[in-house]
Amino acid sequence: GQNIDQPTEMTATEGAIVQINCTYQTSGFNGLFWYQQHAGEAPTFLSYNVLDGLEEKGRFSSFLSRSKGYSYLLLKELQMKDSASYLCAVIASGAGSYQLTFGKGTKLSVIP
Amino acid sequence: DAGVTQSPTHLIKTRGQQVTLRCSPKSGHDTVSWYQQALGQGPQFIFQYYEEEERQRGNFPDRFSGHQFPNYSSELNVNALLLGDSALYLCASSLGLAGVRSQDTQYFGPGTRLTVL
Repeated sequence: GQNIDQPTEMTATEGAIVQINCTYQTSGFNGLFWYQQHAGEAPTFLSYNVLDGLEEKGRFSSFLSRSKGYSYLLLKELQMKDSASYLCAVIASGAGSYQLTFGKGTKLSVIP
Repeated sequence: DAGVTQSPTHLIKTRGQQVTLRCSPKSGHDTVSWYQQALGQGPQFIFQYYEEEERQRGNFPDRFSGHQFPNYSSELNVNALLLGDSALYLCASSLGLAGVRSQDTQYFGPGTRLTVL
């Protein structure tokens, strides 16, 4: 089975930096995704990590440590529009196919 | 280039009824996965279709069934609806079974909001 943990809620100030952590336990690991989801909308892709290290994409960066089963999403220069849920999801292989398993999401509130 | 489309947008049913949700994958994609997302939760994998066959299934009862058509579009059917089936149902498409492991290759549709009364 797979287990993915991330904080339920976080609050941060506009212009600040926030780090959202994700820990996972899975077999057949094939990569980790971060998605952003605004209320009532579909998840949108933010980042993908399959090798250890940091991937930077503009204001967003994602880190992966496979040996520790740990990832984080770093958001810089926070804007009010960054208020959303952030979903950590792990790709695992099995029976010749791949399955995406999501954590419960971290609801980020950005305050002025 | 059309993205993933789903219909209907919203649906209200009563307990015991049956419902069919529809999904058209992004142009060029041939694999469709369905997810159920309850309020305040992350999406939960229901099943995945490729070459008109169910390839993987999550922990959902047989009341949840699906189908994939030759044009790669897909349907999700839920029988004997329960109050707990109220959720946002998301469809995601990708290219091939292996495509879902690569970055930015699984695209989500806008979802169907199902309310069971």
